[in-house]
Amino acid sequence: ETGVTQSPTHLIKTRGQQVTLRCSSQSGHNTVSWYQQALGQGPQFIFQYYREEENGRGNFPPRFSGLQFPNYSSELNVNALELDDSALYLCASSLGRGRDTQYFGPGTRLTVL
Amino acid sequence: QQQVKQSPQSLIVQKGGIPIINCAYENTAFDYFPWYQQFPGKGPALLIAIRPDVSEKKEGRFTISFNKSAKQFSLHIMDSQPGDSATYFCAASGDSNYQLIWGAGTKLIIKP
Repeated sequence: ETGVTQSPTHLIKTRGQQVTLRCSSQSGHNTVSWYQQALGQGPQFIFQYYREEENGRGNFPPRFSGLQFPNYSSELNVNALELDDSALYLCASSLGRGRDTQYFGPGTRLTVL
Repeated sequence: QQQVKQSPQSLIVQKGGIPIINCAYENTAFDYFPWYQQFPGKGPALLIAIRPDVSEKKEGRFTISFNKSAKQFSLHIMDSQPGDSATYFCAASGDSNYQLIWGAGTKLIIKP
């Protein structure tokens, strides 16, 4: 059984650019949640995807968007990057939507200059 | 009302001691309270979780105490070891809005 993987590990972008982060779910999991974790803070929920449909969204602007693919892997896209978008982006997969135990990947560290 | 307040921000304990991390919430609709452990360079991992129908839950050396009337819950680590050094997060969610609301984290150091 493979765990949750994320790519890339680190990324540096400049303000105004666009970025795509990728996540591969744990085998058998059909739900993916994305979180933003600023330095020294707890994770903030961005959105959740269940069987390719958005299943809930946190308090993030529309320039944060996502996709889930038929194999349940997922992408997080952020347009018009701002300096405050610098953070660790975490992907978590679970067997079902809602509050089933979420298994987290190691994250992608995004730095916006 | 959506916040979860966690304290202390950091904690240093001697090996074998019992670190205690506290969390408080305001939203009475919350009914699921997990604790996560995060090591540097890793994503958070679920440690233990409790629902408000019980006042205490133990899993190995980890214990959650829950006080529904005070809207507080805490994590105790028995016989703490240097390998327990990590950042610990409490979180909460409610059935109608299942997204997890996280505390700000406690950086725990266990000294040998």
